[in-house]
Amino acid sequence: EIVMTQSPVTLSVSPGERATLSCRASHSVSRNLAWYQQKPGQGPRLLIYTASTRATGVPDRFSGSGSGTEFTLTISSLQSEDFAVYFCQQYNNWPGTFGQGTKLDI
Amino acid sequence: EVRLVESGGGLVQPGGSLRLSCAVSGFNVNDNFMNWVRQAPGKGLEWVSVIHSGGSTYEVDSVRGRFTISRDNSNNTLYLQMNRLRADDTAVYFCARGDPSTLSKVHFCDHWGQGTLVTVSS
Repeated sequence: EIVMTQSPVTLSVSPGERATLSCRASHSVSRNLAWYQQKPGQGPRLLIYTASTRATGVPDRFSGSGSGTEFTLTISSLQSEDFAVYFCQQYNNWPGTFGQGTKLDI
Repeated sequence: EVRLVESGGGLVQPGGSLRLSCAVSGFNVNDNFMNWVRQAPGKGLEWVSVIHSGGSTYEVDSVRGRFTISRDNSNNTLYLQMNRLRADDTAVYFCARGDPSTLSKVHFCDHWGQGTLVTVSS
């Protein structure tokens, strides 16, 4: 099973600032990597797939990059609605596995 | 509009059973990979089971032989039958639609429900 490790666990930022979240895979997952946003009491929302493709309706302040074992989610200018938990997920090998999450805090 | 609404969670004793349901609208459950993913309290997400549009099913090792995924095409509903429940099955269970363009049992999910809480405790 591929282990996904996210850093940092918590990121304290201010509205308008840039946030950079990292995700590392224990083995190469090519570009089969997705990012999700989760708010309290809600299911995850798909943001990014194939490492860098934004899902329908996702604002362009969200961008993804990377391949192999190292991936990054960047939020260029944080809005109040962006404060949430972010998960990465690999879908290169069964079963798909998730990172433990990064919480964006004000 | 795509919508997934889970139900059926609750408190159950160790060794007991529950059946979760996921009512789907906006697409057909039998046209897509459909998934159950769970999240233990304060923890990350864990894949549980997948059903292929052709009917094949897959489970992770920790639930194989205890959990069964199925669907009712006429009611457009996904199910998860959970037997021999254990304390470590305690989690919020989400149903989710797999990437509509995929042919693989391992994929990302583009739509999720809000989840239903299963608590296994005596």
